[in-house]
Amino acid sequence: EADIYQTPRYLVIGTGKKITLECSQTMGHDKMYWYQQDPGMELHLIHYSYGVNSTEKGDLSSESTVSRIRTEHFPLTLESARPSHTSQYLCASSPPRSGQPNSYYEQYFGPGTRLTVT
Amino acid sequence: KQEVTQIPAALSVPEGENLVLNCSFTDSAIYNLQWFRQDPGKGLTSLLLIQSSQREQTSGRLNASLDKSSGRSTLYIAASQPGDSATYLCAVGARGSTLGRLYFGRGTQLTVWP
Repeated sequence: EADIYQTPRYLVIGTGKKITLECSQTMGHDKMYWYQQDPGMELHLIHYSYGVNSTEKGDLSSESTVSRIRTEHFPLTLESARPSHTSQYLCASSPPRSGQPNSYYEQYFGPGTRLTVT
Repeated sequence: KQEVTQIPAALSVPEGENLVLNCSFTDSAIYNLQWFRQDPGKGLTSLLLIQSSQREQTSGRLNASLDKSSGRSTLYIAASQPGDSATYLCAVGARGSTLGRLYFGRGTQLTVWP
């Protein structure tokens, strides 16, 4: 069973506040991802990481930033939250390429953080 | 860019029915295709993973098929139950990327009533 955790699960915060959404996994996966999902819409990749000290922006433009100082930890930060940031944020991880195609692309998801900015 | 479409967007059926959920994708150069289940306000749970060289995968009452040449996959749910009510998402793994990125559809929202 996948062990990937996100905190907080729900967050309601005022405009202009700085927030950090936490994501951690205990599986030793190299690759980690952040997705944003609005109700009834598809998941959009906003950040990803190949490993420690490696982070890249995804398809969807986002004002958030990420860091990857430790393999197991991939936090997402919003310096100044706005109502347009209201959404669900999902973190995922996947194993390193080990010669087994099955494991290469299988992603494991955390429970998500529902963010509301008032 | 890969585009993934899921039909229908929503489905409401009585308990016991057999169901077919459809997924189509525009670029057949995929590594694999994954079906997920998402409960309201929750993360995604992986149901089935089909490699591009495979035609189908089965897990319990679920069967997923893949026709890469036509860009289609179906998820078959046998003898549906109220506990199957959730949103079902299809995602394709893009070939040619070392990231292992997935492209998602918008999902089919399934309601099974007793």
